[in-house]
Amino acid sequence: DAGVIQSPRHEVTEMGQEVTLRCKPISGHNSLFWYRQTMMRGLELLIYFNNNVPIDDSGMPEDRFSAKMPNASFSTLKIQPSEPRDSAVYFCASRQGGSPLHFGNGTRLTVT
Amino acid sequence: GIQVEQSPPDLILQEGANSTLRCNFSDSVNNLQWFHQNPWGQLINLFYIPSGTKQNGRLSATTVATERYSLLYISSSQTTDSGVYFCAVLGGTYKYIFGTGTRLKVLA
Repeated sequence: DAGVIQSPRHEVTEMGQEVTLRCKPISGHNSLFWYRQTMMRGLELLIYFNNNVPIDDSGMPEDRFSAKMPNASFSTLKIQPSEPRDSAVYFCASRQGGSPLHFGNGTRLTVT
Repeated sequence: GIQVEQSPPDLILQEGANSTLRCNFSDSVNNLQWFHQNPWGQLINLFYIPSGTKQNGRLSATTVATERYSLLYISSSQTTDSGVYFCAVLGGTYKYIFGTGTRLKVLA
């Protein structure tokens, strides 16, 4: 079991640029989550997918953020255009039914 | 919504000491997990424990669902135990609510 795989591990970009974060959930997991972690706000749920369908995107900060899950083994979180206040660690997590939630190693995003 | 409170917020231990971390939650929950966020930022799943007691090496956890709390015990602490410990509860079908964490530092 390779765990939840995220890429890149670190991303540094300039304000206004597009950023795409990637996630491969654990095989067989049908629920996928994107979280954002900051010192001020802790861990925030951005969006939740079940069976590749977005179920709850109420945590997505604004229209600059979008997420897709084209198939069961891949999801992206895109920020366009990026702003300095988007700087944070972005985590992807997955689970299956009543099983534990497993996190990827996160992507540390810095927008200058 | 469900409130999750963790205590203490900060803890400093000498290597070899034991400690107990607490998680209180305000309503009945479907599940509870303990995570360790290590100094590299990784969130490691420690226990999946909606009720009862589990042990994994030097760590053990107990959840008393009827009284709405969970405890994480760390025995013979090591420097590698340093980091932040989060409790997360599942109130509905998918939304985990995270506590603000206990920041642990173990000194050599």
